[in-house]
Amino acid sequence: DVKVTQSSRYLVKRTGEKVFLECVQDMDHENMFWYRQDPGLGLRLIYFSYDVKMKEKGDIPEGYSVSREKKERFSLILESASTNQTSMYLCASELTNTGELFFGEGSRLTVL
Amino acid sequence: EDKVVQSPLSLVVHEGDTVTLNCSYEVTNFRSLLWYKQEKKAPTFLFMLTSSGIEKKSGRLSSILDKKELFSILNITATQTGDSAIYLCASDNTNAGKSTFGDGTTLTVKP
Repeated sequence: DVKVTQSSRYLVKRTGEKVFLECVQDMDHENMFWYRQDPGLGLRLIYFSYDVKMKEKGDIPEGYSVSREKKERFSLILESASTNQTSMYLCASELTNTGELFFGEGSRLTVL
Repeated sequence: EDKVVQSPLSLVVHEGDTVTLNCSYEVTNFRSLLWYKQEKKAPTFLFMLTSSGIEKKSGRLSSILDKKELFSILNITATQTGDSAIYLCASDNTNAGKSTFGDGTTLTVKP
């Protein structure tokens, strides 16, 4: 079974802090994604990557950056967390161009 | 801009009822339509639909795609409390990384 692991299930941070959300997948998938999920807004794509060291902006990249130094690991970085970044963050991976996404269990971030 | 719209946004039914969830899409370079089920945690894959008119079935769940009218439906028959979840519809297009999700339908099945 494909496993996508997000390192932190719950985090509480203060405004202005730097936040790292880590995601690791074990199926050698090329494509990896970061979404945020908010009530009434569905899943919105923040960034994605289709290869090591490659990254593409999604629909809402402002206030976020990403890092993909190794194929299995895709990190989401909030350089200076703000309260409007309080959300559920979901990482996903995809075997190239199959369309089917495999999700991690999510990281619920609260920014105070 | 790609758009996926699900309806209803929420639904409450009783065990044994049959439900139909709707998903319409406006997507450039459309490739497939996917349905996911999300309980407390990560969304899990249900169906991928690429061809019009061909029903996909898994137990009490079934889904079909209409590429002419640009919509899909997800049917659940004889609902159970374990079907309570958010059901997400997503369109996948031929550009990498461009799955567009709808807002989801929250289904609650009461005993």
